[in-house]
Amino acid sequence: GNSVTQMEGPVTLSEEAFLTINCTYTATGYPSLFWYVQYPGEGLQLLLKATKADDKGSNKGFEATYRKETTSFHLEKGSVQVSDSAVYFCALKHQGSSNYKLTFGKGTLLTVNP
Amino acid sequence: KAGVTQTPRYLIKTRGQQVTLSCSPISGHRSVSWYQQTPGQGLQFLFEYFSETQRNKGNFPGRFSGRQFSNSRSEMNVSTLELGDSALYLCASSLGAVNQPQHFGDGTRLSIL
Repeated sequence: GNSVTQMEGPVTLSEEAFLTINCTYTATGYPSLFWYVQYPGEGLQLLLKATKADDKGSNKGFEATYRKETTSFHLEKGSVQVSDSAVYFCALKHQGSSNYKLTFGKGTLLTVNP
Repeated sequence: KAGVTQTPRYLIKTRGQQVTLSCSPISGHRSVSWYQQTPGQGLQFLFEYFSETQRNKGNFPGRFSGRQFSNSRSEMNVSTLELGDSALYLCASSLGAVNQPQHFGDGTRLSIL
């Protein structure tokens, strides 16, 4: 079945540091890939998405590239801010089937210190 | 444009009771999905509805059920509550196609005493 593996957290960085959160997936066919962010006490917000190989999703300084050869979708940001502190989830949705659910990784807690 | 609205935000129940949670999707969205979030199991898919029909169902017992109304609003019901049902229940809506992103509400925090 489909699965998503994220790097274990927590991740603690200083403001303006470079961020990478690794995400790899297992799926048949060509899934759509997503990054969601969850701030304390809130639901999930869509951060970025990519629907086919070599697509790059980007939003608010975050980027991730759909790499089919390595089945990866790593999240990166060049300079993090304190306000980026949150839990980040990588997720996939399987295309080409009637399965409309999102499969999530376990989440990575990011803390950015001033 | 209003986002996904879930009510209530917080609920406290006791074992054996039942509960109904409500979700109003983004206007124009016809697909509504429900997820359970717990510290131990993470985010797990419950079910998905599109145009009042359940299209997918996750691996949860029959005590968990849902429905969708003609205006796309959805409810989920949990009967005979157990301590392990304590969780954040998230609703997400989308246009319905498989490559469309899901947009989440802030969730209902259910606590079972």
